[in-house]
Amino acid sequence: EVQLVESGGGLVKPGGSLRLSCAASGFKFSNAWMTWVRQAPGKGLEWVGRITSITDGGTKDYGAPVKGRFTISRDDSKNTLYLQMNSLKTDDTAVYYCAPGGSYFGYWGQGTLVTVTS
Amino acid sequence: SYELTQPPSVSVSPGQTASITCSGDKLGDRYVCWYQQRPGQSPVLVVYEDIKRPSGIPERFSGSNSGNTATLTISGTQAMDEADYYCQAWDNSTVVFGGGTKLTVL
Repeated sequence: EVQLVESGGGLVKPGGSLRLSCAASGFKFSNAWMTWVRQAPGKGLEWVGRITSITDGGTKDYGAPVKGRFTISRDDSKNTLYLQMNSLKTDDTAVYYCAPGGSYFGYWGQGTLVTVTS
Repeated sequence: SYELTQPPSVSVSPGQTASITCSGDKLGDRYVCWYQQRPGQSPVLVVYEDIKRPSGIPERFSGSNSGNTATLTISGTQAMDEADYYCQAWDNSTVVFGGGTKLTVL
């Protein structure tokens, strides 16, 4: 059974940093492209970015709103995906989901809430 | 950047057919998928690669994609289908979501 458990969310001030984690199980993590998607309160889904498998180059792509501020990484030895978020803005307030895949997403975690407020 | 446009809301009577559209430039040239999201829950994939249904998704959910419009069709709509629905496609190395459609079953 595929399981995705996001953690690391919380309250942070504008300009601050936070690192999210996504612990994955039930599939071959090292072969998977992994994606972060977020959803602001009462709003729609927004693609944050993705990382390919190491064998596919470990390439990272980001959505325009987070490019240059967020960094996706992975530790295949721990089956864990990360999202380092720097220079946070109030607009980054959202539930952050991780999902295996690069083009469509058949499995989602429960998400972790990040609130950016002064 | 590529954009996908959905109607904000669609209403349907129980047992009738609901159609939710998603429009984008030459969308038919790309694969489209659809997600259902009930309040307080994570999204669920209901259609992928335009027309395919994941295991466990009822047959009443179907998809199509041609020209500039993709459509999610729910036949014999049930009260449990009331939810937000999002279309999604790829554009080069990015992923794009539509703004979402709230389906009301009344």
